[in-house]
Amino acid sequence: DVKVTQSSRYLVKRTGEKVFLECVQDMDHENMFWYRQDPGLGLRLIYFSYDVKMKEKGDIPEGYSVSREKKERFSLILESASTNQTSMYLCASRTVSYEQYFGPGTRLTVT
Amino acid sequence: AQTVTQSQPEMSVQEAETVTLSCTYDTSENNYYLFWYKQPPSRQMILVIRQEAYKQQNATENRFSVNFQKAAKSFSLKISDSQLGDTAMYFCAFMAGNQFYFGTGTSLTVIP
Repeated sequence: DVKVTQSSRYLVKRTGEKVFLECVQDMDHENMFWYRQDPGLGLRLIYFSYDVKMKEKGDIPEGYSVSREKKERFSLILESASTNQTSMYLCASRTVSYEQYFGPGTRLTVT
Repeated sequence: AQTVTQSQPEMSVQEAETVTLSCTYDTSENNYYLFWYKQPPSRQMILVIRQEAYKQQNATENRFSVNFQKAAKSFSLKISDSQLGDTAMYFCAFMAGNQFYFGTGTSLTVIP
């Protein structure tokens, strides 16, 4: 079974803090994704990566950056957290047949 | 721009009955993939079913089937013999290039 894990299920941070969300997949997938999920808005793509050290902006990259130093790990970074970044963050990796596998999500609260 | 629209924010169905969730999308792409994902309460998002746009035959996975109408850009999900475990948020998604686009979701409740 494909396994995608995220470093935290729940996280509470203060405004202005630097926040790291980590995602690890164990199936050697080349493509990995970060989404945020908000009620009524569905999932919106923040960034994706199609290879080590390669990244592409999604629909809402402002305020976020990413890092992919190893194939299995894709990190989302909030350089200076703000209250409007309070959300559920979902990581996913994709098979060659275009199926995405999701992690359990990190519910981030910025106070 | 690619968009995915789910016009039913909430639906309910009696156990053992059949329910259909609607999804429409807009794209100028010719090669793409469509998906339905299920997110049970407080649980992980999982893939329910996928459809390749170049295939005319509708995909089926056990009690789940789709009605794919390419010309109308419609991709509905039919759940037969609904079970309590089908209670979840369902997301329609579209993939073209390397990006996925999701609808806003339909919250389905199966009533015992």
